[in-house]
Amino acid sequence: GAVVSQHPSRVICKSGTSVKIECRSLDFQATTMFWYRQFPKKSLMLMATSNEGSKATYEQGVEKDKFLINHASLTLSTLTVTSAHPEDSSFYICSARGGQGFGYTFGSGTRLTVV
Amino acid sequence: AQSVSQHNHHVILSEAASLELGCNYSYGGTVNLFWYVQYPGQHLQLLLKYFSGDPLVKGIKGFEAEFIKSKFSFNLRKPSVQWSDTAEYFCAVNAEQKLVFGTGTRLLVSP
Repeated sequence: GAVVSQHPSRVICKSGTSVKIECRSLDFQATTMFWYRQFPKKSLMLMATSNEGSKATYEQGVEKDKFLINHASLTLSTLTVTSAHPEDSSFYICSARGGQGFGYTFGSGTRLTVV
Repeated sequence: AQSVSQHNHHVILSEAASLELGCNYSYGGTVNLFWYVQYPGQHLQLLLKYFSGDPLVKGIKGFEAEFIKSKFSFNLRKPSVQWSDTAEYFCAVNAEQKLVFGTGTRLLVSP
């Protein structure tokens, strides 16, 4: 079945630094990938949609200059949290659409802690 | 914009009890509907999905859901829950090329 690998699973960084999170589709080509943020005890909030070879589409209220998304190939999308602040601490999850049939496959998530 | 409502935030059941989790969505066009489960410490997994056809959809682990178009609902059911069903359950709607999630329902099944 379709597998999405997300890396790293956990990262701690200092305020003001940048962190890159990778999302790879391992056995299928993902034409579209999605980035979500999950707050404690709350739902997944869609941050942006990235399409291979084009600019990402950000949801309302998401700062595109802070959360840089790159989808340079059909198997890799990256989310870079720039100039991280403690309020950016959260659980980030990627999802890829593609492979057999119509479906979404989720990565295992990245727990970001900004200190 | 489409939205998804899950009415029950926390549900506590004893083993063998029946489960029904509500999910309503707001979108007038064609939708695809999903239920995902997130077990403690694990990532999201697909329980079941509805695209078209029979509105009663059967998923993994004995779960099923019924799409009622007139009520904009897609409730999740299981006749007899087990302790291992303790998890968070998310309803999601795909419309306009985006997957939007409900707020989730945390289910605790006591042995």
